[in-house]
Amino acid sequence: NAGVTQTPKFRVLKTGQSMTLLCAQDMNHEYMYWYRQDPGMGLRLIHYSVGEGTTAKGEVPDGYNVSRLKKQNFLLGLESAAPSQTSVYFCASSSREFNTEAFFGQGTRLTVV
Amino acid sequence: LAKTTQPISMDSYEGQEVNITCSHNNIATNDYITWYQQFPSQGPRFIIQGYKTKVTNEVASLFIPADRKSSTLSLPRVSLSDTAVYYCLVGDMWSGGYQKVTFGTGTKLQVIP
Repeated sequence: NAGVTQTPKFRVLKTGQSMTLLCAQDMNHEYMYWYRQDPGMGLRLIHYSVGEGTTAKGEVPDGYNVSRLKKQNFLLGLESAAPSQTSVYFCASSSREFNTEAFFGQGTRLTVV
Repeated sequence: LAKTTQPISMDSYEGQEVNITCSHNNIATNDYITWYQQFPSQGPRFIIQGYKTKVTNEVASLFIPADRKSSTLSLPRVSLSDTAVYYCLVGDMWSGGYQKVTFGTGTKLQVIP
């Protein structure tokens, strides 16, 4: 029972480089989310998806793009990384029918130098 | 979005009961109150959710007064492993997921031996 799996767990990027963070869930959840967590800021929603093929902006979407080509996967892309994107990124998913809780991945610690 | 206010930090000795209060004066009729726990280097984990009165599970109790403008998470007989950040969330995740629910900065609970 893997739940929500994020890859990679750690990454160091140089300013201007690009990368994609992968989130995979095996619970057949319709909703998926990408958050970033910075010290003293709590979790802030970057983008979310309410179903395969759909995405929407959250609270802090600038500098990020997302795709949900398959129901179980939600990708977060950084086209040109900036030091301000140094953060811990969490993916989460929740069910449309049983929306009591969101299940989170273990996080990806990204450092942009 | 319902705004929540909770203490930034709390200390407690092992074996004591800990009560963390969250204020949410502008809670809407359809909003639920949900608490999450986050250990260092891990994603948040659902603890408990309620709408009114009292809810209890194997981990915690949630007390909600009749006016629903506040709520109290009660952790019985805490141990060192309960040291974590606790988030109070208020929102109608049942009608559309977590995209309209805000994670604040949470309460950092430190359990002391």
